Amino acid sequence: ETGVTQSPTHLIKTRGQQVTLRCSSQSGHNTVSWYQQALGQGPQFIFQYYREEENGRGNFPPRFSGLQFPNYSSELNVNALELDDSALYLCASTIQGGTDTQYFGPGTRLTVL
Amino acid sequence: QKEVEQDPGPLSVPEGAIVSLNCTYSNSAFQYFMWYRQYSRKGPELLMYTYSSGNKEDGRFTAQVDKSSKYISLFIRDSQPSDSATYLCAMTTGGFKTIFGAGTRLFVKA
Repeated sequence: ETGVTQSPTHLIKTRGQQVTLRCSSQSGHNTVSWYQQALGQGPQFIFQYYREEENGRGNFPPRFSGLQFPNYSSELNVNALELDDSALYLCASTIQGGTDTQYFGPGTRLTVL
Repeated sequence: QKEVEQDPGPLSVPEGAIVSLNCTYSNSAFQYFMWYRQYSRKGPELLMYTYSSGNKEDGRFTAQVDKSSKYISLFIRDSQPSDSATYLCAMTTGGFKTIFGAGTRLFVKA
């Protein structure tokens, strides 16, 4: 186990709704990245937060947004859900704004109907 | 063309076999190369992490990076049924973004 926790485990929403996913980083890690993993695909980078600021973003629209809190926990918010947003959402924590030695949580399985 | 190409398999081998998993990539700026193992309904788990070209060994696992050919490999010796999982290659330039392959599903038969 990595010490990175995510909630909820599973979530079912309908098109057009909004969702918030949560992540608690491994102790001592000040950087969190969020990834979307569609079925049968590798994780795709959404964005990274370092010291409560967005540190970089992948090719995802603005309806994907995030927050990082002073205790380094994080949220991923998705507005106006689409069917293609159905995926496993993973967060990964690391130290000092890098991407080496990332530790992943178990993920949140989002289904959009 | 995807930045990272990985054969999705599935790859089925008998217990005790040597497994070879591979990825190719197009971005010569990648410097850090990782292999992750992902069991069903779990998050990826870091197996191997290498910088630039060369080999790295850890127990039954050996990672190889050939930057001149833009080709990385993971070898698993004496494969066990517990090695059955999806193996993801990943790489980064050292910045904030990691690029993953699609993953290769491996089945090790007892």
